[in-house]
Amino acid sequence: AQKITQTQPGMFVQEKEAVTLDCTYDTSDPSYGLFWYKQPSSGEMIFLIYQGSYDQQNATEGRYSLNFQKARKSANLVISASQLGDSAMYFCAMREGPRSGGGADGLTFGKGTHLIIQP
Amino acid sequence: DVKVTQSSRYLVKRTGEKVFLECVQDMDHENMFWYRQDPGLGLRLIYFSYDVKMKEKGDIPEGYSVSREKKERFSLILESASTNQTSMYLCASRQGYTDTQYFGPGTRLTVL
Repeated sequence: AQKITQTQPGMFVQEKEAVTLDCTYDTSDPSYGLFWYKQPSSGEMIFLIYQGSYDQQNATEGRYSLNFQKARKSANLVISASQLGDSAMYFCAMREGPRSGGGADGLTFGKGTHLIIQP
Repeated sequence: DVKVTQSSRYLVKRTGEKVFLECVQDMDHENMFWYRQDPGLGLRLIYFSYDVKMKEKGDIPEGYSVSREKKERFSLILESASTNQTSMYLCASRQGYTDTQYFGPGTRLTVL
């Protein structure tokens, strides 16, 4: 089973509209973190926002907010007032508890959503 | 700002060649990672390191090895490159376990 599911392979949105990118996750670990990254056509992965499993409030960073619904295991990214420069691939990722006791385990990524903002 | 650099943006190699991909970070981070990214598959973890000379296998280590002789540098090695290793390779670093991973610009490797 996939640990991170992004059900929208692609989205077209009008400039200035709000965008919601879906992400659901699967873990039995009580301690985990959820990340969103943006990858423009240049290829670099740009960190956007982070939500810890014990955080009481939804994370916000400027125009980005994370709609964290723990019971539903969902962590959707909301971009307010979209801009042409928001066109990119967006990846949801998860860090779970240590697999082997204190190691530097990596992130598990979803397959991404290709967002295109139209003028 | 955290800076993660990778030695090449684009690389073309022949089947059977030994390939080195270099990654350097300037923030004294303890943890470093190598991922590969393929269309429709997202990013997959190849290897990671949590200290100098320490390495751990990720989800897809077959065909790869790594080296971390200095804290700031993490190298990915393809001992004998094959066409199915044509991919985008991304390096990342992180300080503590709960911290954000910061990525380099990526190396697009083509094996002919």
